[in-house]
Amino acid sequence: KQEVTQIPAALSVPEGENLVLNCSFTDSAIYNLQWFRQDPGKGLTSLLLIQSSQREQTSGRLNASLDKSSGRSTLYIAASQPGDSATYLCAVGGSGGSNYKLTFGKGTLLTVNP
Amino acid sequence: ETGVTQSPTHLIKTRGQQVTLRCSSQSGHNTVSWYQQALGQGPQFIFQYYREEENGRGNFPPRFSGLQFPNYSSELNVNALELDDSALYLCASSTAVGADTQYFGPGTRLTVL
Repeated sequence: KQEVTQIPAALSVPEGENLVLNCSFTDSAIYNLQWFRQDPGKGLTSLLLIQSSQREQTSGRLNASLDKSSGRSTLYIAASQPGDSATYLCAVGGSGGSNYKLTFGKGTLLTVNP
Repeated sequence: ETGVTQSPTHLIKTRGQQVTLRCSSQSGHNTVSWYQQALGQGPQFIFQYYREEENGRGNFPPRFSGLQFPNYSSELNVNALELDDSALYLCASSTAVGADTQYFGPGTRLTVL
């Protein structure tokens, strides 16, 4: 059974700081990995999708890496802004032959202070 | 291009009642998945529908059931509501059965008293 763990559970940083969020998963036989952002009480916004054959993806100030063999991914946020404050969720796509579902971690609650 | 929409936004029910939640997929998407997100937890997969057929199911009891219609909109039905069913219910649509990029709706907040 796939399990996804995110560390830290919460993070508070001053504006402008670079930061790294961590995600680990137990079953390396995955199809892809996605990072999502969730604002309080809202749905999920996809930030980055990394296919299993890829090592990293970049979008603006965000960079996500994937090391399938070690079961790890990191989300790097450069020059953080107060608007980046949200919960960040890591989700593994398809494992154990189940190519149709995402398995999520519990998320990291990020607060960027002005 | 319209995004994924869900209705209602909020819902309050009492234990033992039945509830129906609705989801309209993003235009051109034929696959819809439903997730349950309890407070402080990550979303958990309930099931997925592809072209009106259930394509996969998570670890949820049979009182959780669904439908997908010819226009690819979808319903989630929960019978015999329990207090632990209180959660944010999210639907997500995609263009492929495989775990491709999924586009999530804003969710329905269900409270069971």
